[in-house]
Amino acid sequence: EVQLVESGGGLVQPGGSLRLSCAASGFTFSSYDMHWVRQATGKGLEWVSTIGTTGDTYYPVSVKGRFTISRENVKDSLYLQMNSLRVEDTAVYYCARAKYDTDALDIWGQGTMVTVSS
Amino acid sequence: DIQMTQSPSSLSASVGDRVTITCQASQDISNYLNWYQQKPGKAPKLLIYDASNLETGVPSRFSGRGSGTDFTFTISSLQPEDFATYYCQQYDNLWAFGPGTKVDVK
Repeated sequence: EVQLVESGGGLVQPGGSLRLSCAASGFTFSSYDMHWVRQATGKGLEWVSTIGTTGDTYYPVSVKGRFTISRENVKDSLYLQMNSLRVEDTAVYYCARAKYDTDALDIWGQGTMVTVSS
Repeated sequence: DIQMTQSPSSLSASVGDRVTITCQASQDISNYLNWYQQKPGKAPKLLIYDASNLETGVPSRFSGRGSGTDFTFTISSLQPEDFATYYCQQYDNLWAFGPGTKVDVK
C-alpha cells in the first residue's frame, strides 16, 4: 500500500525549533518530488516547501530562511526542519507526493499538528 | 507570486444539483492547475490534474476545464459524499492554493 506517515509534531515556544519526519512506503521514494503543505485550524491549504528528486528545494517567502526541507532516500524519508518558529506557523503539516510527470499531489499523509505557543 | 482566487467561497446545494466552482489565476498558468477535495479532519484528495484530467478512481461526475487564467470545476450531479471543501492549486510558478470553496447542504 502506498503510504505517507508524518511524525514529530508537538508544542513548541515561539522562537523554538522542531523537525518533522515523513516515512514513505509502497513506492520508489527516490523517484518522486515531495512537498510539505500546512493548514491552520479552520483555514485553507498553504504550500510550505518542495524538494525534487535531485535535491533542489523551493520555499514560499513566509518560511524561506527559517524552514529546510530534506530527504534521505535510503530511509524513504522526508524531513522539515523548522527554526525560529512563530505563532502563525501553528498548523497541521502534511507531507505529499507529487504525481509522476506532473505536480499534482496524489498521495498525502494524515498530517501532524504543530502548535507554537508560549 | 501568482495569486489564486476561487468563487464562490461557499455554496449551498442539494443532492442531484449541478455545482460549478471557478478558479482564477493572477497570470497565465497554462493548464498547470489541479483540484482537490477535503473533508473535515482529513487530508486533501486529488480529483483533477492538469486542469481537465480525472485522477484514477475518481467518479466521472467530477470534471474540470480551462487554461490560461480561468478555470472551472464541475460536479454534474452532487452526491451526499461530495459535501466538502474544494481547492484549486497552480504549479506554473512555484505552488499556490486557492482559498477554497465550501459546498454544504441546502
